[in-house]
Amino acid sequence: GQNIDQPTEMTATEGAIVQINCTYQTSGFNGLFWYQQHAGEAPTFLSYNVLDGLEEKGRFSSFLSRSKGYSYLLLKELQMKDSASYLCAVFSGNTGKLIFGQGTTLQVKP
Amino acid sequence: SQTIHQWPATLVQPVGSPLSLECTVEGTSNPNLYWYRQAAGRGLQLLFYSVGIGQISSEVPQNLSASRPQDRQFILSSKKLLLSDSGFYLCAGYGGKYEQYFGPGTRLTVT
Repeated sequence: GQNIDQPTEMTATEGAIVQINCTYQTSGFNGLFWYQQHAGEAPTFLSYNVLDGLEEKGRFSSFLSRSKGYSYLLLKELQMKDSASYLCAVFSGNTGKLIFGQGTTLQVKP
Repeated sequence: SQTIHQWPATLVQPVGSPLSLECTVEGTSNPNLYWYRQAAGRGLQLLFYSVGIGQISSEVPQNLSASRPQDRQFILSSKKLLLSDSGFYLCAGYGGKYEQYFGPGTRLTVT
């Protein structure tokens, strides 16, 4: 079966660092995506990991361990505008299908 | 880069009425196209995907259907809407690179 797990909600303080975890069990794996989604809007692409290790992009970093079926998204120097849902998605097969987790709603407080 | 257009942005329809949501793509040819639905506070559920004109794959049995009459057009339809069809409908495209691009979405409320 296909299963992707993320925490439902997280709260953090402005200026702090937060790590959002994602574990997955899927029948195929060609890579893992992180998307950001503000309320009422479409998801926007944050990062993509296909090999093990850390990918850094400004204040956002994403890590993948394929052997453990585990990824995390690290957000540094949190800003109020980072309050959003963060979606973990596994890229499966050669048709570009994405299997999404339920998403983690992050609230950044002053 | 790809741009995905969707309309309408919001829609309120009574139970039992028909539905037609349109998605068009510009900036690429022969893209893979996807319809997702997102219920309130939930993740995205893949409904249909298409790898070419007239080719539709359904991921979940449901009250909806999809068609791809042209290379850059993807349509989601229903003959009779149910209350459970309410949600945020997103069209996405994949043009060969790894990233999926999403349209702005249609928020459907079935009353």
